[in-house]
Amino acid sequence: GAVVSQHPSRVICKSGTSVKIECRSLDFQATTMFWYRQFPKQSLMLMATSNEGSKATYEQGVEKDKFLINHASLTLSTLTVTSAHPEDSSFYICSASLAGSSYNEQFFGPGTRLTVL
Amino acid sequence: RKEVEQDPGPFNVPEGATVAFNCTYSNSASQSFFWYRQDCRKEPKLLMSVYSSGNEDGRFTAQLNRASQYISLLIRDSKLSDSATYLCVVPGGSYIPTFGRGTSLIVHP
Repeated sequence: GAVVSQHPSRVICKSGTSVKIECRSLDFQATTMFWYRQFPKQSLMLMATSNEGSKATYEQGVEKDKFLINHASLTLSTLTVTSAHPEDSSFYICSASLAGSSYNEQFFGPGTRLTVL
Repeated sequence: RKEVEQDPGPFNVPEGATVAFNCTYSNSASQSFFWYRQDCRKEPKLLMSVYSSGNEDGRFTAQLNRASQYISLLIRDSKLSDSATYLCVVPGGSYIPTFGRGTSLIVHP
């Protein structure tokens, strides 16, 4: 099956720093990737839809200037959490679906656990 | 009505039991449906896809009822390793996946 990787898997940073998370589709092309955030014991919350070659579409309540998304190629999307604060500590997961597929099965990255001190 | 609704549970069942979860959805135009399994602190993994009336894979059966707009997941002969959260996913507009809150299953000896 299709494989999606994320890097890093875990990051601990100081408040005020920026953190970049990479999401790569390893063996397929993905014109669209999705970024989610999941707090403990809560469901996945869609943050934004990342489109290759165009601006990301953010969900209501998600600050686009704080969560910068760049989808520079068909296999890579990055999420940068700028000026991170403790309340940004969460599990960030990306997903991608096969370009051109009429179905919508999502392949998930392993997630990045962010802890902001 | 929320786009995708699930009973959060937890469902607490003994080994060997049969358990069923329901998931209701509001987008009547959806054509494909998915059940994912998520273990604690891990990413979701696809369990079953449903494109027509249903799908069966071993102990797992997913059924779709378009008229009532719900999909169900049936697990037979529950194993301890089935303990997890089960997420229902229904693509919405522009194929953006919409997740239910998940149903927690605990299988005990």
